Amino acid sequence: DTGVSQDPRHKITKRGQNVTFRCDPISEHNRLYWYRQTLGQGPEFLTYFQNEAQLEKSRLLSDRFSAERPKGSFSTLEIQRTEQGDSAMYLCASSLSLGASGKEASGYTFGSGTRLTVV
Amino acid sequence: SQQGEEDPQALSIQEGENATMNCSYKTSINNLQWYRQNSGRGLVHLILIRSNEREKHSGRLRVTLDTSKKSSSLLITASRAADTASYFCATYRLAGNKLTFGGGTRVLVKP
Repeated sequence: DTGVSQDPRHKITKRGQNVTFRCDPISEHNRLYWYRQTLGQGPEFLTYFQNEAQLEKSRLLSDRFSAERPKGSFSTLEIQRTEQGDSAMYLCASSLSLGASGKEASGYTFGSGTRLTVV
Repeated sequence: SQQGEEDPQALSIQEGENATMNCSYKTSINNLQWYRQNSGRGLVHLILIRSNEREKHSGRLRVTLDTSKKSSSLLITASRAADTASYFCATYRLAGNKLTFGGGTRVLVKP
């Protein structure tokens, strides 16, 4: 297992088009996260899955954004009707649940990200 | 919203010098983590310190945590040009079940 993979690395799209990104996490990790990062800023949380269940979505995630994790393996993030403000790096990360309660997470392993440019 | 705030925002040092950056946060946490990001790449996990720990070491990295002041520091000793990167602190709360990142410190190590 070589880590978290994201595809594509770069995506240029016209405003109004739909785009879909894929993330393949580390196979042993049960948690998967999507973050968005703009230039000079830290990553902002978008959503996360524990196995196949999507447990939280940020208020940043408008109705145009949807994420899935079928069968608790890879995940996709789709943006419909893209806008110029969607231009950013989209980062995926995975982690393990820790502790007796399973609530704590280990350190995250991030993918290299998908850089989206909306023109 | 960003829970952690790093200070300074940017740091320029000579190779061999130590680099220190600080992180302050607002609410109680379960653990605090530091990450490094090279330009245009994903983040790499450096170190995790739990709320009941005060100091942790990993190679040339030393992290401290003061929960009473809601602050943490990352020290990189004997810096190298390869340490040039952005460094982010991130806080984890059980209630939130996710990491919340600060804005980062951009470190430039000049050879």
